[in-house]
Amino acid sequence: DSGVTQTPKHLITATGQRVTLRCSPRSGDLSVYWYQQSLDQGLQFLIQYYNGEERAKGNILERFSAQQFPDLHSELNLSSLELGDSALYFCASSVGQGQPQHFGDGTRLSIL
Amino acid sequence: GENVEQHPSTLSVQEGDSAVIKCTYSDSASNYFPWYKQELGKGPQLIIDIRSNVGEKKDQRIAVTLNKTAKHFSLHITETQPEDSAVYFCAAIPGWTSYGKLTFGQGTILTVHP
Repeated sequence: DSGVTQTPKHLITATGQRVTLRCSPRSGDLSVYWYQQSLDQGLQFLIQYYNGEERAKGNILERFSAQQFPDLHSELNLSSLELGDSALYFCASSVGQGQPQHFGDGTRLSIL
Repeated sequence: GENVEQHPSTLSVQEGDSAVIKCTYSDSASNYFPWYKQELGKGPQLIIDIRSNVGEKKDQRIAVTLNKTAKHFSLHITETQPEDSAVYFCAAIPGWTSYGKLTFGQGTILTVHP
């Protein structure tokens, strides 16, 4: 158990819908990262937050957004969903930037 | 940006044999190189990491070596066991200004036959 909690484990929805994925980092970790894993793209970095502030962005679509709250949990919002958004979404956390990242078990998103 | 290439894509060994997975990276400023193990239905699990000021690191049956000049690093697993079967990913953090952004290799499916 990495100590990173992600909910829900599975999400099934339709095209055009909006969903919110939630992540609780390990106790004491200030940085939260979001990654997308798909068969064709592999593991891709989406976005990073450190103590509530956005610190780095990857190839995150404009339809996607995230935030980190004062209690350090984070949410990833995906809107106007398309079939191609079906993937595993992972959250990771670390004590600080450049420190070892520990991953949750992910949310499997299926778009019908 | 950073590019990480990982080989082989699949690796099959007999129990007790050694397994080696290799990765190359493109950004000479990369300074942190973790390895992750991912089992079915689970998230990537950090198994070992190395920083650019170290050439080799070992943890029981697992070791990682780093060659900064050649820009490649390798994972070595000795005395493999069936429970080592999983997908292994290498990764790199591309440079000091990239904060924690990990760039991953494509993954290696390791199968250890009893």
